[in-house]
Amino acid sequence: AQSVTQLGSHVSVSEGALVLLRCNYSSSVPPYLFWYVQYPNQGLQLLLKYTSAATLVKGINGFEAEFKKSETSFHLTKPSAHMSDAAEYFCAVSVGQAGTALIFGKGTTLSVSS
Amino acid sequence: GAVVSQHPSWVICKSGTSVKIECRSLDFQATTMFWYRQFPKQSLMLMATSNEGSKATYEQGVEKDKFLINHASLTLSTLTVTSAHPEDSSFYICSARESGLTGELFFGEGSRLTVL
Repeated sequence: AQSVTQLGSHVSVSEGALVLLRCNYSSSVPPYLFWYVQYPNQGLQLLLKYTSAATLVKGINGFEAEFKKSETSFHLTKPSAHMSDAAEYFCAVSVGQAGTALIFGKGTTLSVSS
Repeated sequence: GAVVSQHPSWVICKSGTSVKIECRSLDFQATTMFWYRQFPKQSLMLMATSNEGSKATYEQGVEKDKFLINHASLTLSTLTVTSAHPEDSSFYICSARESGLTGELFFGEGSRLTVL
């Protein structure tokens, strides 16, 4: 069965600093990988997804992630943090077949200080 | 992008009552919808997979008789929490996959249930 592990339940950065949120996956078949952001009391917004095309995926709001098969990782990065980036971030995996649900990691809370 | 709407977004009910939460795909047809539950400061846990016109598939540990799921049309799935108790208080989120797409799901805004 597929799963994802997010390392670090809480990450704190200063405004303008690099953001790095870690995600490792486990899957017996080529995975589809996703990063979502959730603001308090709201649903999920898709940041980016990997679906076996380019290994470096660019998403919204300046975020990007790189799929590394050798490391089974899909870390999320942003060169310069903004205050508005403070939120909960979830990494998720599916095997991509129609009707397959996403399995989520435990989430990482990103705090941004001025 | 595609829109998934949940209603109500917030509901408070008395213990012992039943509450229905609707999940609608507004601009696409969804043969498959998923229901998730999220506890405070925790991740989303898949409760069940809802397929249009057939019975839902529940994840291990989820009570079928407690959480009734109906997917009667290609644009609507409902989750009914029967005889709700305070421990059922949670944030419930649905997602829908457009027929023919692979990989991406569209999520509703979530419904917060508080059982007194």
